[in-house]
Amino acid sequence: DAGITQSPRHKVTETGTPVTLRCHQTENHRYMYWYRQDPGHGLRLIHYSYGVKDTDKGEVSDGYSVSRSKTEDFLLTLESATSSQTSVYFCAISGPGQGSNQPQHFGDGTRLSIL
Amino acid sequence: GQQLNQSPQSMFIQEGEDVSMNCTSSSIFNTWLWYKQDPGEGPVLLIALYKAGELTSNGRLTAQFGITRKDSFLNISASIPSDVGIYFCAGLSNTGNQFYFGTGTSLTVIP
Repeated sequence: DAGITQSPRHKVTETGTPVTLRCHQTENHRYMYWYRQDPGHGLRLIHYSYGVKDTDKGEVSDGYSVSRSKTEDFLLTLESATSSQTSVYFCAISGPGQGSNQPQHFGDGTRLSIL
Repeated sequence: GQQLNQSPQSMFIQEGEDVSMNCTSSSIFNTWLWYKQDPGEGPVLLIALYKAGELTSNGRLTAQFGITRKDSFLNISASIPSDVGIYFCAGLSNTGNQFYFGTGTSLTVIP
């Protein structure tokens, strides 16, 4: 286990409601990532962070925002959830080195259902 | 985004058989990673490759970074029931700092 905790593990909510997912790491790694996993698409990057308050968009960032106020926490927010955002969300951290080419280690995921 | 083609999509094999799967890209990659994912869990890193031609083993698993830098291969020797799962490749292009993932190979091992 790479010291990554995602919360909640499961969530069911309604369309139009805000949702925040949390990723907490104990490894002090610089890079943190949010992915979504959908059948037929594999893992797709939503946003990533390369330091406190430093974030950038991935390939499927529309409808999502992130924040990183501490090294150990990376939050993913759906401001107004839509049914197309029903998915399994994974957080990842990369290390132990500081470069972006370091292997990524994943949490156990959050299964989000939007009705 | 980058397209990673992973094949085969699924495999059904007898216990004890060897397994081969591959991942190809239209772009050159600097790093290749191979992961295994069990149901309800996150992907777990199996092998990381950093140089063209590199061959790396992890127990019964062996992976290779293709010479063209556009492909990678994973072999599993003498498969056992616990090898069941979905195997993903991931590649890091030389133009960015984002890993792209294949759509996975689902492996079923028949005892």
